[in-house]
Amino acid sequence: SQQGEEDPQALSIQEGENATMNCSYKTSINNLQWYRQNSGRGLVHLILIRSNEREKHSGRLRVTLDTSKKSSSLLITASRAADTASYFCATPAGGSYIPTFGRGTSLIVHP
Amino acid sequence: EAQVTQNPRYLITVTGKKLTVTCSQNMNHEYMSWYRQDPGLGLRQIYYSMNVEVTDKGDVPEGYKVSRKEKRNFPLILESPSPNQTSLYFCASSSSGAQLGQPQHFGDGTRLSIL
Repeated sequence: SQQGEEDPQALSIQEGENATMNCSYKTSINNLQWYRQNSGRGLVHLILIRSNEREKHSGRLRVTLDTSKKSSSLLITASRAADTASYFCATPAGGSYIPTFGRGTSLIVHP
Repeated sequence: EAQVTQNPRYLITVTGKKLTVTCSQNMNHEYMSWYRQDPGLGLRQIYYSMNVEVTDKGDVPEGYKVSRKEKRNFPLILESPSPNQTSLYFCASSSSGAQLGQPQHFGDGTRLSIL
């Protein structure tokens, strides 16, 4: 069952610009994770934010969480061509003890 | 090096011919899982396991079997593959359940084509 949904589905920007992608989810959560997937490869964990946190930083990544709106955003600042990938949010959901992933945002950064 | 290893990476086979995709992790993780990824549908849970001899169905378990006889291995079995199982498959492991927020470690994927 889909819990998180990323928006937009696709994003195309120039190198140096910021990229923002959003994730909305349906039920209350105690944490949310963001992952990155290079074309056809396995997902790689980027960052975790817990429900008692509003914002978290890791290098050029900034993640926010608004539990009242059931949404999260991932901001990549000063993007590079190497940031081209798909980005997924993942949340605990329902009776499953493994995370549920959204459909992802496909980011293309043009050099 | 901590890793999740899947084999094979690519497989083209025919309808009805039983196949097994192996998954092994070297991190001593309790939790292991299988996802399939299809265009426009994202990652969907097939089966998952929280420990040896404990497995649970995900959202799309039909046509698949799993076993967890050892902590490090979690093979995915397609006893009678059909074309609708053509997909990109991922195995993942983690040290705890989703509620604790531990990261999932993913294998590189297995691309299956069932003709």
